[in-house]
Amino acid sequence: GQQLNQSPQSMFIQEGEDVSMNCTSSSIFNTWLWYKQDPGEGPVLLIALYKAGELTSNGRLTAQFGITRKDSFLNISASIPSDVGIYFCAGDLPGNQFYFGTGTSLTVIP
Amino acid sequence: GAGVSQSPRYKVAKRGQDVALRCDPISGHVSLFWYQQALGQGPEFLTYFQNEAQLDKSGLPSDRFFAERPEGSVSTLKIQRTQQEDSAVYLCASSIRILHEQYFGPGTRLTVT
Repeated sequence: GQQLNQSPQSMFIQEGEDVSMNCTSSSIFNTWLWYKQDPGEGPVLLIALYKAGELTSNGRLTAQFGITRKDSFLNISASIPSDVGIYFCAGDLPGNQFYFGTGTSLTVIP
Repeated sequence: GAGVSQSPRYKVAKRGQDVALRCDPISGHVSLFWYQQALGQGPEFLTYFQNEAQLDKSGLPSDRFFAERPEGSVSTLKIQRTQQEDSAVYLCASSIRILHEQYFGPGTRLTVT
């Protein structure tokens, strides 16, 4: 299957700090989606990106679809304890299914 | 506005048993997806439906895995003669159209002993 390289693998930050994580691929993707997953739950959609260069915000979250269409980043500003969880990127190849990254585990220290 | 629901949430099966996992997608969502998620990994695609048609089953790991969506709404993932390596969380997602935003259910955690 397709390789989506997601980094960092884990992050430990102080409450109030900003967070940045990214996802890269060797293939060009049509769409990038960012999800958050809490233990024992399914992934929850945070942001969807459809155009190269698109920058989209959802509250304290901001994500961008890279110009090359091979990468995306997610930023979280002023982190709070409930931001704890695993963040996944997902992308789809033209006419194909979605592929998920391996996740970034975020721990916020109060 | 109900989201995607899955049942059961937890299933313990003895090796060799058959299991059936159910997914109720969001009403009106044409596309339905099944994923398998191993511990510490991202979801991996198994199969997807557009209405009742199974358009891609390339991710099903063996012929013991079978999925159906006979009326284009509820879907069932069946695993025959379960093996220990089938232990995982099985996630269902639906979207209003193919390759659009997918919304996930809570998953079914399958443990094969």
